[in-house]
Amino acid sequence: AQSVSQHNHHVILSEAASLELGCNYSYGGTVNLFWYVQYPGQHLQLLLKYFSGDPLVKGIKGFEAEFIKSKFSFNLRKPSVQWSDTAEYFCAVKARTGNQFYFGTGTSLTVIP
Amino acid sequence: DADVTQTPRNRITKTGKRIMLECSQTKGHDRMYWYRQDPGLGLQLIYYSFDVKDINKGEISDGYSVSRQAQAKFSLSLESAIPNQTALYFCATSESGTPPHNEQFFGPGTRLTVL
Repeated sequence: AQSVSQHNHHVILSEAASLELGCNYSYGGTVNLFWYVQYPGQHLQLLLKYFSGDPLVKGIKGFEAEFIKSKFSFNLRKPSVQWSDTAEYFCAVKARTGNQFYFGTGTSLTVIP
Repeated sequence: DADVTQTPRNRITKTGKRIMLECSQTKGHDRMYWYRQDPGLGLQLIYYSFDVKDINKGEISDGYSVSRQAQAKFSLSLESAIPNQTALYFCATSESGTPPHNEQFFGPGTRLTVL
């Protein structure tokens, strides 16, 4: 079975600080990669996804992620966070030929105004 | 958006009771999933279905059952609820076929408390 690791469990930043959230997965084959965001009291929404092509993926709200195949990583970044980015962030992986999505344990981001 | 809906949104029940959580979708997707979310554990897959009458176990199916009798509906049942099934439950949908259609769309969640 695949696994997804998010090493940062809780991150606290001031507004305008830069953000990088780590995501590593264990699977040797071709994967589809996702970052989801869950704002307080809401359901999960897709931030961005990678299927193929350019390993630097741009998503909504100024987020981007870079797929580094050699490191089995798909880290999420944002140059300047806002208070409204306070949320929980989940990395997810799906084998291209598989049926299941595997989620990381999530990273809780708190942005202080 | 309301493409994936879940009922009820909140439920408090007692140990031993039978509970059913409903999920409906208007996205026309063929694939549907049930997850539970626990603090610090992320999302864990309970069951998934790729078509009507197709049922597959996920990582943590023990104590749960599901029914997919229509493409748009996927229900999750707890036959005899126990306190460690207290969690937030999410339904999700996705399309079959090749990317980029494989992303999942989530419902608003059902918060279940078993006393």
